[in-house]
Amino acid sequence: ETGVTQSPTHLIKTRGQQVTLRCSSQSGHNTVSWYQQALGQGPQFIFQYYREEENGRGNFPPRFSGLQFPNYSSELNVNALELDDSALYLCASSSNQGQDSYEQYFGPGTRLTVT
Amino acid sequence: AQTVTQSQPEMSVQEAETVTLSCTYDTSESDYYLFWYKQPPSRQMILVIRQEAYKQQNATENRFSVNFQKAAKSFSLKISDSQLGDAAMYFCAYRSLDSNYQLIWGAGTKLIIKP
Repeated sequence: ETGVTQSPTHLIKTRGQQVTLRCSSQSGHNTVSWYQQALGQGPQFIFQYYREEENGRGNFPPRFSGLQFPNYSSELNVNALELDDSALYLCASSSNQGQDSYEQYFGPGTRLTVT
Repeated sequence: AQTVTQSQPEMSVQEAETVTLSCTYDTSESDYYLFWYKQPPSRQMILVIRQEAYKQQNATENRFSVNFQKAAKSFSLKISDSQLGDAAMYFCAYRSLDSNYQLIWGAGTKLIIKP
């Protein structure tokens, strides 16, 4: 069983640029959630995707957007990067079926630094 | 809105001893899930233990157990026979039973194991 993978592992961007982060969900999972974890803090929910549609959103501006593909993988896009966007971005996949339905399994994260 | 509070930024314990990490939460809901996650330096969130609010019995997973006090809205994690590999950040998280199943997180407790 393949776990959740994320790419890239880390990257550095300049303020005002755009970035795309990628996530491959665990085999059999149809839901992907994205979280932002600032240094020294707990994660904050950005949004969730189910069946290629946004299925809930946290308190993040519209410049944070996402996609989910037919194979359930997902992208997080951030436009007009700000210094405060520097964080670890975590992806979690889950399923709405089975014994562990809705349990979230996390990837290793992408460390984004905005300079 | 639900909130999760971890009042211990850092805890230390001698190897083989027992340590308890505290978590309190606030909610008006009667049914929900509570979780403890571990985040080692590798950054990947690992589920340690889960508690369903409707269950009175405290969850246990090997050396890990919880003390769930629903009326007090308290959810502490006890780690017995602490091992060097237990050193990590520990996060308490809450999940409603609504449609998007987002996790709401505490700020975390850094656990140091002294050899």
